[in-house]
Amino acid sequence: GIQVEQSPPDLILQEGANSTLRCNFSDSVNNLQWFHQNPWGQLINLFYIPSGTKQNGRLSATTVATERYSLLYISSSQTTDSGVYFCAVQLRGKSTFGDGTTLTVKP
Amino acid sequence: DGGITQSPKYLFRKEGQNVTLSCEQNLNHDAMYWYRQDPGQGLRLIYYSQIVNDFQKGDIAEGYSVSREKKESFPLTVTSAQKNPTAFYLCATRTWSGNQPQHFGDGTRLSIL
Repeated sequence: GIQVEQSPPDLILQEGANSTLRCNFSDSVNNLQWFHQNPWGQLINLFYIPSGTKQNGRLSATTVATERYSLLYISSSQTTDSGVYFCAVQLRGKSTFGDGTTLTVKP
Repeated sequence: DGGITQSPKYLFRKEGQNVTLSCEQNLNHDAMYWYRQDPGQGLRLIYYSQIVNDFQKGDIAEGYSVSREKKESFPLTVTSAQKNPTAFYLCATRTWSGNQPQHFGDGTRLSIL
């Protein structure tokens, strides 16, 4: 099956700093999503981005499908950005998640 | 996400017991999914269903069973054959027309007594 690797596994930032999270995948995919999991376990959709670039406030994402990677950018980070960020890919209806990046933003 | 209801929020199972987790949706989505999450790890796919009365095994289906008798409902049974059932279980849905994102319920935490 498809392999999904996220890096870095852990990231600690001061409030106000910028960061880039990476998702590599081993095969062509139909869909790619970025999620934020909050401390209560809820998965929040951030981006649905099988290709191209999207922006939503301080967050943006870019997927280069031909090179099989996606990047999530967080600018001017806030303590509320803390949590785990997951990348998930889909191929023929089946989803595969990466192991996530745990982000801690310190005040 | 609103529109996907998982119940109960917390569930305790005795050894040798089957338990059923509920997932109901009012989004009129075609596809439904069950995932398992262990502490510090990503989500792993247990079963998924693209249409009523049809479902496929995911990566870790052993010890689990599902049914899809109605479009709105996709219950997951954790059987006594699942030797390590303690985990966080998440249900997701997706519409099948075009490429659309998955939406998740709030999850059920299952523990062994």
